Amino acid sequence: DAGITQSPRHKVTETGTPVTLRCHQTENHRYMYWYRQDPGHGLRLIHYSYGVKDTDKGEVSDGYSVSRSKTEDFLLTLESATSSQTSVYFCAISDRGPEAFFGQGTRLTVV
Amino acid sequence: DQQVKQNSPSLSVQEGRISILNCDYTNSMFDYFLWYKKYPAEGPTFLISISSIKDKNEDGRFTVFLNKSAKHLSLHIVPSQPGDSAVYFCAASETSGTYKYIFGTGTRLKVLA
Repeated sequence: DAGITQSPRHKVTETGTPVTLRCHQTENHRYMYWYRQDPGHGLRLIHYSYGVKDTDKGEVSDGYSVSRSKTEDFLLTLESATSSQTSVYFCAISDRGPEAFFGQGTRLTVV
Repeated sequence: DQQVKQNSPSLSVQEGRISILNCDYTNSMFDYFLWYKKYPAEGPTFLISISSIKDKNEDGRFTVFLNKSAKHLSLHIVPSQPGDSAVYFCAASETSGTYKYIFGTGTRLKVLA
């Protein structure tokens, strides 16, 4: 299995609070991604990174920001959590393909 | 606008028979296609892929077919086994560009014993 660790694995937070999810990899892969999985929507790309300090928006980036200060870490921040951001979040990594490898996921509940 | 579509949310198949999962895409810039399998409470795992220069790729019981003119791909599982019961996601990427992976909504496959 690819060395990807997501933390925390579960989190419950209140509406309006900031939340940061962490993805840590030990594979030295260049590309890192954040996805959310919701019923009826599959996996949707939030943000991705193609190198240290190089990030770009995905399909559903509103309300999220990311940072990548080191190759191994990719942080996803919800500046002010809303109930619509209740979801399962997956981090993925790749090294110019062909496939991406996924972490175990973080289940976030915003109450 | 969804660039990768899986129009069948679910599929049930008898054990030993063929499972066929379908996927359509709209972006002609996609040149690499992948299938992932996902069990509950786990991350998606890579299953099989195909480059746009090919029309078929096989790996054991799994075969992916690509019809570029129709912007359609399918995953065939033969023979289907109960352990294949999972959600299957189709994904596409542009390997010459940003390596973004765009996923479909998934098809839940249930293989009946």
